Amino acid sequence: KQEVTQIPAALSVPEGENLVLNCSFTDSAIYNLQWFRQDPGKGLTSLLLIQSSQREQTSGRLNASLDKSSGRSTLYIAASQPGDSATYLCVAKLVFGAGTILRVKS
Amino acid sequence: DTGVSQDPRHKITKRGQNVTFRCDPISEHNRLYWYRQTLGQGPEFLTYFQNEAQLEKSRLLSDRFSAERPKGSFSTLEIQRTEQGDSAMYLCASSPPGHDTGELFFGEGSRLTVL
Repeated sequence: KQEVTQIPAALSVPEGENLVLNCSFTDSAIYNLQWFRQDPGKGLTSLLLIQSSQREQTSGRLNASLDKSSGRSTLYIAASQPGDSATYLCVAKLVFGAGTILRVKS
Repeated sequence: DTGVSQDPRHKITKRGQNVTFRCDPISEHNRLYWYRQTLGQGPEFLTYFQNEAQLEKSRLLSDRFSAERPKGSFSTLEIQRTEQGDSAMYLCASSPPGHDTGELFFGEGSRLTVL
């Protein structure tokens, strides 16, 4: 049974910092891994989808990496902004982690 | 192009009443998923349809929960005899045809409050 863990559970950083969010999964037989952002009371907005054959995906200031063999993915956010404040979630084989709550202070 | 649509967005009901949520997926997507999310937690998988067939159902889905997708388009999630513990956000997602799950696209969710 797939289990997904996200570390840290919460993170508070000053504006402009680069940061890394971690996602680990127990079942490495995945086709893909997807990262989402969720604002309070809202649905999930897709950020990046990494196919199992890929090692990285980039979109603007976001970069996600995937290491299937070690069961890990990281989401790197460059030059963080207050508008990046949200909960970040990863999903593998339909199983979500509990998320990382990010607060970027201006 | 419309995204995944869910209705109603908010529902307040009394304990013991039945409620039904509707999800309209992105038109060319043949896969549809229901999740439940409580405060501070990640979404929990409930069930999954490919076209009209319900292929997977979580043990979280008690006998009071039923989901349908009769024509392979929209889906409904019904909760009978609601309990206070059913209060949550119910999220629907869809994904395009393919050999794997594919990219998930979520709706804005239906928030249920059971008094």
